[in-house]
Amino acid sequence: AQSVTQLGSHVSVSEGALVLLRCNYSSSVPPYLFWYVQYPNQGLQLLLKYTSAATLVKGINGFEAEFKKSETSFHLTKPSAHMSDAAEYFCAVRRHGNNRLAFGKGNQVVVIP
Amino acid sequence: DTAVSQTPKYLVTQMGNDKSIKCEQNLGHDTMYWYKQDSKKFLKIMFSYNNKELIINETVPNRFSPKSPDKAHLNLHINSLELGDSAVYFCASSQGQGLNTEAFFGQGTRLTVV
Repeated sequence: AQSVTQLGSHVSVSEGALVLLRCNYSSSVPPYLFWYVQYPNQGLQLLLKYTSAATLVKGINGFEAEFKKSETSFHLTKPSAHMSDAAEYFCAVRRHGNNRLAFGKGNQVVVIP
Repeated sequence: DTAVSQTPKYLVTQMGNDKSIKCEQNLGHDTMYWYKQDSKKFLKIMFSYNNKELIINETVPNRFSPKSPDKAHLNLHINSLELGDSAVYFCASSQGQGLNTEAFFGQGTRLTVV
C-alpha cells in the first residue's frame, strides 16, 4: 500500500531562513500527494496537493512543493520562514484501491527569532 | 461560517463512561470521516461514510460506533471509555473519495479519560 515517510519529527529554522520539510513516498503507480498544516489547537488545513498536472506545486502562505519521481519525493519548501509558520506539517497520500488518505508522522516546525 | 464543526472541543471524562462527539459539515460533501490523533501527533483513519453508508471501518474496538443521520452529520459514540482512548479526534469531509480529493478537517475534540 502507498505510504509516505517524513524524517525528523522536530525541525528548527531561523526566522527568514529556508524551510525544507522532506516527504518520500512509496508507490508503484503515480501517487496523489498532499501537504497539510496543523496550527496549535486547530484542525488540519490543506497547503497544497500534487495531482500530476505540474511537478512544481504552489500552495498557500508562500509554500511550494516539487514532485520528483526519480527521487520518489515531494518535499515542501518556503524561502523565508515567518514566526507564524510554527506548526505541525503532514505529508499525505491517497492510496490507490481504497483511496484512503494516509498521513506521515508529521514534522513540528519551530521558528527561532 | 465554520465548514466542519465538532462539539465539544474538549471532553474530560472518567473511565467506563459513555460519551459522544458530534460533527457537522456545511460544505455539501457526501463523504465524512473520523480520524484519531495520538499523543505523538500520528493521524489514523477510523471510519468513513459516503452518503450515510459506512465504507471504511479500520481496526477499531467495537466500543466505537459512528452514526450518520444524514450526509451532513457524522457522530461518534464511545462506550466504556478507557485510558487509551485519550486522544484528539478529528472529523473531516470531502466531496467524493477520488484520488485527488482533499479532505476538510474540523478543529478536533481533545478527549481525556481519567
